[in-house]
Amino acid sequence: EVQLSESGGGLVKPGGSLRLSCAASGFTFTSYAMSWVRQAPGKGLEWVSSISSSGGGTYYADSVKGRFTISRDNSKNTLFLRMNRLSPEDTAVYYCAKGQVYTYSFVDSWGQGALVTVSS
Amino acid sequence: DIQMTQSPSSLSASVGDRVTLTCRASQGIGIYLAWYQQKPGKLPELLIYAASTLQSGVPSRFSGSGSGTDFTLTISSLQPEDVATYYCQKYNSAPLTFGPGTKVDI
Repeated sequence: EVQLSESGGGLVKPGGSLRLSCAASGFTFTSYAMSWVRQAPGKGLEWVSSISSSGGGTYYADSVKGRFTISRDNSKNTLFLRMNRLSPEDTAVYYCAKGQVYTYSFVDSWGQGALVTVSS
Repeated sequence: DIQMTQSPSSLSASVGDRVTLTCRASQGIGIYLAWYQQKPGKLPELLIYAASTLQSGVPSRFSGSGSGTDFTLTISSLQPEDVATYYCQKYNSAPLTFGPGTKVDI
């Protein structure tokens, strides 16, 4: 069974930084692209970033480009999202999401989400 | 970037009704289109990928069609447990944009 468990969320002041982690199990992590998808309170789903299975390809939404960095440690089956220069508009639940073997893919499994609140 | 729109933004229908939701891409995306269902307070769930392929375990009353720029999700006989918001997502290339969603009520 696929399991994705996010950690690292919390309350941060505008301009601050945070790093989310996602521990993956139940599948061959090194074979699959991974993504982060967020959902602001009462709003729809927003794709944030994706990374290829090897980590060699990374992709970002314009809203986070230059501020967020996606990475993965395939030796530890862990996905990361480093978030810098956070603003209140980044307040959302951040979901770790499993894709397919190809980099551009749909999501077939979701983590429970990590709440990030940006407020002074 | 390719924009994704969905219509209607919300709808109310009766149990047993046939319901059709539409998703439109501003440029052609082939069949690289997925549909998700998100029930209130729950995680999104994959319903359909490659525009018309039903994800394992999804009831057969759900079906998808379309290619290029116009796609539909059909619920052949609406059930009470289908109350949810439905999102489409393009995945032909980055950005992997989601549509704004269609909220379905009974």
